[in-house]
Amino acid sequence: RKEVEQDPGPFNVPEGATVAFNCTYSNSASQSFFWYRQDCRKEPKLLMSVYSSGNEDGRFTAQLNRASQYISLLIRDSKLSDSATYLCVANSGNTPLVFGKGTRLSVIA
Amino acid sequence: GAVVSQHPSWVICKSGTSVKIECRSLDFQATTMFWYRQFPKQSLMLMATSNEGSKATYEQGVEKDKFLINHASLTLSTLTVTSAHPEDSSFYICSARDLGKETQYFGPGTRLLVL
Repeated sequence: RKEVEQDPGPFNVPEGATVAFNCTYSNSASQSFFWYRQDCRKEPKLLMSVYSSGNEDGRFTAQLNRASQYISLLIRDSKLSDSATYLCVANSGNTPLVFGKGTRLSVIA
Repeated sequence: GAVVSQHPSWVICKSGTSVKIECRSLDFQATTMFWYRQFPKQSLMLMATSNEGSKATYEQGVEKDKFLINHASLTLSTLTVTSAHPEDSSFYICSARDLGKETQYFGPGTRLLVL
């Protein structure tokens, strides 16, 4: 069973649009949650941690629903530079991060 | 944020040769380092976890004699792909965890092409 499940996309959206990604995780014991972004042929980079109360960083908002084992990422006012693959991670304790295939976003001019 | 470097960034080698990839944490001490591999259009797959001063723990299906990992200090881990073959061509990425913290920082990756 996969640790996380995401819609692989691609999501093709125009500049300025709002786009939301969803992610479900299988391990109910997961304690820490993250969104990473990975650009083509690059390493993943931490976008933001996800907290129980939800958190916002500029145009990005992350939400966590423990009861449904569900994480979301909302991107407002999409920029061309937001085009990337977005990876959600649900981690328990000090185990290594495990990634799925992520969701591919293309922001179109 | 913390910085992790990898060297080389890319390498092309002949089949049968061995390739060593270095991973360094530049501004923090990493008691644990992780090695991942990513094939085109696939997810990052964890290969092994290495703890400073002890033997690495390999994921199922990863041959420990083929992928030699050494983590001799708190800032350096190396991955040696022994007797590389074309099917080993991939993007190898290391990651390091700061002592006592959850966040993993990733190196820029090493692209390996075996001819």
